[in-house]
Amino acid sequence: KQEVTQIPAALSVPEGENLVLNCSFTDSAIYNLQWFRQDPGKGLTSLLLIQSSQREQTSGRLNASLDKSSGRSTLYIAASQPGDSATYLCAALDSSYKLIFGSGTRLLVRP
Amino acid sequence: DTAVSQTPKYLVTQMGNDKSIKCEQNLGHDTMYWYKQDSKKFLKIMFSYNNKELIINETVPNRFSPKSPDKAHLNLHINSLELGDSAVYFCASSQEVGADQPQHFGDGTRLSIL
Repeated sequence: KQEVTQIPAALSVPEGENLVLNCSFTDSAIYNLQWFRQDPGKGLTSLLLIQSSQREQTSGRLNASLDKSSGRSTLYIAASQPGDSATYLCAALDSSYKLIFGSGTRLLVRP
Repeated sequence: DTAVSQTPKYLVTQMGNDKSIKCEQNLGHDTMYWYKQDSKKFLKIMFSYNNKELIINETVPNRFSPKSPDKAHLNLHINSLELGDSAVYFCASSQEVGADQPQHFGDGTRLSIL
């Protein structure tokens, strides 16, 4: 059974800092790994999707990597801004096409 | 021009009642989903429909019944509501089921059982 874990659970950084969010999964038989952002009282916004055959994806200041063999993915945020404050969720699409979510990392970027 | 819309946004009701949550997507996607986010913020898949056919049915009590009148709509009906049903329910859609298909989420329906 696939399990997804995110570390740290919460993170507070000053504006401008580069940061890394970590995600690990127990079963390497995944179709893709997705990163989402969730703002309070809102739904999830898809940030990046890395297919199992890919190693990384980039969008603006965001870069996500995937290492299937070690069961890890990281989301790198460059030059963080207060507007980046949100909860970041990673999710693995398992062999049954179910999206299995981690519990998220709450990010606060201080001005 | 909301892509995935859910109604209502908030639902407060008594234990034992029956309620429905509606979801519509205007993205032309073939696949729709229902997720439950509990008080600890854990998101878990409940159901998935592809072209009006049920393809994922997690271990959800049979008091929960999804209905897909067409591929743009996936409604969730809940019978005999219990305290443990209090949660935020999210609808999502994707073009199809596949490795390169991101899911698009609605803003959620916060269900509170008194």
